[in-house]
Amino acid sequence: AQSVSQHNHHVILSEAASLELGCNYSYGGTVNLFWYVQYPGQHLQLLLKYFSGDPLVKGIKGFEAEFIKSRFSFNLRKPSVQWSDTAEYFCAVKRDDKIIFGKGTRLHILP
Amino acid sequence: DTGVSQDPRHKITKRGQNVTFRCDPISEHNRLYWYRQTLGQGPEFLTYFQNEAQLEKSRLLSDRFSAERPKGSFSTLEIQRTEQGDSAMYLCASSFPGLAGEQYFGPGTRLTVT
Repeated sequence: AQSVSQHNHHVILSEAASLELGCNYSYGGTVNLFWYVQYPGQHLQLLLKYFSGDPLVKGIKGFEAEFIKSRFSFNLRKPSVQWSDTAEYFCAVKRDDKIIFGKGTRLHILP
Repeated sequence: DTGVSQDPRHKITKRGQNVTFRCDPISEHNRLYWYRQTLGQGPEFLTYFQNEAQLEKSRLLSDRFSAERPKGSFSTLEIQRTEQGDSAMYLCASSFPGLAGEQYFGPGTRLTVT
């Protein structure tokens, strides 16, 4: 079945630690890839997106993601996290006008 | 506020009752999407519209669910004869069509069926 897999359901880090959240998808062909974030009490917001071109995509708030086609992966990274990065992060694939989401990763940053 | 809005934000209903939710998209967007999100899951696609035409419906959308977008602007999602399993967050999103059509999400309507 076509799916989006996020490897970690819950991640706890201290401030200034580096972050990498894994995401793999099972679709072949052309895909558009996204990371969405949901801060506590807020609605889903787009963090970054990949459509084509440079596989290293930079988003808001210092986040970046790398599209590795051969691995069907689109991992999210941030070199130094802040307490305000505490949120739930969703990897997603757009295909045929629909967005298919992963189950999400809850990130908790300790001050 | 020019974002996607949803009403109500919370709805508590008894099993067997009908409920209706409303979504107002960003005004320039001609595509409108409905998703459902349950605890511990990402949003799941339900249906979408381009203008007033409903282009696709998920298998998740049983006969008890119906969505409309009569004038190509706001949309309603109705659930008839609600069941406890319908308890979830119902999200609406809107976009322009095409590759650049990233979806902008509303705050959601949280439905609790008792």
